[in-house]
Amino acid sequence: SQQGEEDPQALSIQEGENATMNCSYKTSINNLQWYRQNSGRGLVHLILIRSNEREKHSGRLRVTLDTSKKSSSLLITASRAADTASYFCAEAGGTSYGKLTFGQGTILTVHP
Amino acid sequence: DADVTQTPRNRITKTGKRIMLECSQTKGHDRMYWYRQDPGLGLRLIYYSFDVKDINKGEISDGYSVSRQAQAKFSLSLESAIPNQTALYFCATSAAEAGGPRDTQYFGPGTRLTVL
Repeated sequence: SQQGEEDPQALSIQEGENATMNCSYKTSINNLQWYRQNSGRGLVHLILIRSNEREKHSGRLRVTLDTSKKSSSLLITASRAADTASYFCAEAGGTSYGKLTFGQGTILTVHP
Repeated sequence: DADVTQTPRNRITKTGKRIMLECSQTKGHDRMYWYRQDPGLGLRLIYYSFDVKDINKGEISDGYSVSRQAQAKFSLSLESAIPNQTALYFCATSAAEAGGPRDTQYFGPGTRLTVL
């Protein structure tokens, strides 16, 4: 299976600014998920949005999903230095239950 | 996530050696996965198992094999390691509720493998 693409590959912002990351995917999905990875560590699940949802919020995170364009975006509001990490989207395909296909990730750097 | 552990955390080996990476979980999940991550790339699925008797190849299974010894244990073997298998390897688990609100994966801390 092909991996989705994330844009931008790297993002550098100042504390307090908002960070937006975009993800395009290939298949018909059941849901799309976002994960965070601190340098060299395991991934941590952030948020899941189902194919019949268009927007979802969790704390400072806002995820949108446009199934017609096969795209999703992750917005982190009022960023903090501790948000510095890599962020990955992962598509859960409609016929591949339990399997995730990860994008290549966006490296976010938040400067204090 | 301390509920998913991987051993060893770091390993340096030589070309041609057999290597086993181990994964254990205390989350009680049925499903377990092995991924590899290369610098600047996302994760690619090597093998996955939906229960003890179920083993499936992922997108990059060549050169790897797995064993699901118990619900809580899933091992990855490199039969004859080669330098391009140098990577960060992750084990993950999930509950058997695909497509549901708990359809998320929980990752171990990773094993950094270097093949010389």
